[in-house]
Amino acid sequence: DTAVSQTPKYLVTQMGNDKSIKCEQNLGHDTMYWYKQDSKKFLKIMFSYNNKELIINETVPNRFSPKSPDKAHLNLHINSLELGDSAVYFCASSQGMGVRNQPQHFGDGTRLSIL
Amino acid sequence: GENVEQHPSTLSVQEGDSAVIKCTYSDSASNYFPWYKQELGKGPQLIIDIRSNVGEKKDQRIAVTLNKTAKHFSLHITETQPEDSAVYFCAANRQAGTALIFGKGTTLSVSS
Repeated sequence: DTAVSQTPKYLVTQMGNDKSIKCEQNLGHDTMYWYKQDSKKFLKIMFSYNNKELIINETVPNRFSPKSPDKAHLNLHINSLELGDSAVYFCASSQGMGVRNQPQHFGDGTRLSIL
Repeated sequence: GENVEQHPSTLSVQEGDSAVIKCTYSDSASNYFPWYKQELGKGPQLIIDIRSNVGEKKDQRIAVTLNKTAKHFSLHITETQPEDSAVYFCAANRQAGTALIFGKGTTLSVSS
């Protein structure tokens, strides 16, 4: 069973389009994250949610809007896609907000290519 | 904010040799330091982690050491195998449920 699953795995689309990426975790975690990995492999946080509440929003353009319908799901909607949005987007989850740090588990990523 | 530096960016070793990757962090409040392995086309996979109350942790061929005073931590892989070839990331975190701050990664190549 896949612990953190993302769909789609690949997404190729035209500049200016709107697209969504979905993420689901079956680990029972209460915190979920979106990270972006650029062409140089650098991983950077975009958003995190704890129990459906937005916790982190790291200076990401307003074109990116995360939504968490429940604590097992965190989706990412992107409006008016730009060439610079081409990257790999990773979803992750952890049992967060407690005193002791817990490992974050990553999905296999969504490779977004803007034409 | 936290900044994590990772070295080297690439590392080539012969099968059976040891590999060492080093990271430094800037925020003395960071207390959790995981290491991730990323294979081609896959997401980062946690391979070992260490908390600030521990100086060393070992899991079979993999070990991590932490020097809180100097604010650096290292990954040691012994008896490397070709399947160890991947990109390795160090990270730091100061509070549960917050973002991991990643180093820029080390591409490890193990040749047989």
